[in-house]
Amino acid sequence: AQSVAQPEDQVNVAEGNPLTVKCTYSVSGNPYLFWYVQYPNRGLQFLLKYITGDNLVKGSYGFEAEFNKSQTSFHLKKPSALVSDSALYFCAVRPNYQLIWGAGTKLIIKP
Amino acid sequence: DGGITQSPKYLFRKEGQNVTLSCEQNLNHDAMYWYRQDPGQGLRLIYYSQIVNDFQKGDIAEGYSVSREKKESFPLTVTSAQKNPTAFYLCASSIGTGATSTDTQYFGPGTRLTVL
Repeated sequence: AQSVAQPEDQVNVAEGNPLTVKCTYSVSGNPYLFWYVQYPNRGLQFLLKYITGDNLVKGSYGFEAEFNKSQTSFHLKKPSALVSDSALYFCAVRPNYQLIWGAGTKLIIKP
Repeated sequence: DGGITQSPKYLFRKEGQNVTLSCEQNLNHDAMYWYRQDPGQGLRLIYYSQIVNDFQKGDIAEGYSVSREKKESFPLTVTSAQKNPTAFYLCASSIGTGATSTDTQYFGPGTRLTVL
């Protein structure tokens, strides 16, 4: 079965430190890859996507993600975390017409 | 949340009642989607529509119904047949849903439904 895994339910990072939120997937073919962020009681906001080309994708709010085909991973990164980055982050993969979603990772940035 | 609106923000339903959640978009997108979000789980697709007057079931369509009479609107009805309807419901839209589309889905602010 096709799936997306976000292995960490929660990630804690001190403000100013780099952050990584992990995502791995198991789907057929060459899927499109997405990251979204959700603030409490809000809808999801699009951060970035990988379609093809350079493995490092830059997105909104200083976030970037690195695609690794051999490891089937698409980890979200940011060089210096802000307290306002605290939110729920979702990875999604699109092998065909439908998105497959990870369960989400809660990111907590401590001052 | 872009040009997608959902109403109401909070909705309370008694058991046995049908309720309808509104979703409107002014992005001129062809495709619209309804997702259900439960704590600790990823989003699950309920229904999607690629074009007016056409829609398809997603992974968890049982107990739900939709209509797509206008491009801008995709209301979701939660029927009494849905046994566990308490959840956060998210509507999204994208330019299209073709199999090779790279389109990004954009989300509304959500409706939180609680069954009393």
